[in-house]
Amino acid sequence: NAGVTQTPKFRILKIGQSMTLQCAQDMNHNYMYWYRQDPGMGLKLIYYSVGAGITDKGEVPNGYNVSRSTTEDFPLRLELAAPSQTSVYFCASGERINQPQHFGDGTRLSIL
Amino acid sequence: AQRVTQPEKLLSVFKGAPVELKCNYSYSGSPELFWYVQYSRQRLQLLLRHISRESIKGFTADLNKGETSFHLKKPFAQEEDSAMYYCALGNFGNEKLTFGTGTRLTIIP
Repeated sequence: NAGVTQTPKFRILKIGQSMTLQCAQDMNHNYMYWYRQDPGMGLKLIYYSVGAGITDKGEVPNGYNVSRSTTEDFPLRLELAAPSQTSVYFCASGERINQPQHFGDGTRLSIL
Repeated sequence: AQRVTQPEKLLSVFKGAPVELKCNYSYSGSPELFWYVQYSRQRLQLLLRHISRESIKGFTADLNKGETSFHLKKPFAQEEDSAMYYCALGNFGNEKLTFGTGTRLTIIP
């Protein structure tokens, strides 16, 4: 059982480039989340989804976009990469807020 | 707005000594509180949640609504407890978790 799978694990981008961080879960969870973790900081919510076709902004959505066309997949898109987006990105899924969130391994992204 | 505060970024404890990781929250409704842990080279995972009132790996956490705290405790620290610990607050209204900044716990042999 893979749980939550994130790809890639590492990536270096140049300023202005775009990329998509992939996230897939095989637990049939309705809720999916994208977080970023900056050094010395907690996890900050970027976007979340409560089901296919429904997405909503978190604390720090600027510079990112998401889509949720299926229950399994929740990709995160960076359109114009900026140095401030250098971070570790975590995807998570869950059934409800009072149920555990299952996390992926994270994607370490550097913008140079 | 909801907020979670973990006042200690780093905590070092000798093996066999008691451990307490502090967590305070700010929330106007009825909170759902969790502790998540990330061991070296592993994924972030749930350690325990207040609603289940259970002890996991010897850790317990009691919700104190008067002090708005959810401190994590273990009477006798073990080396394998070394990890990053995050306190998190859930909001049923919008299905989001708010995480604290985390405490890195190091157990000294």
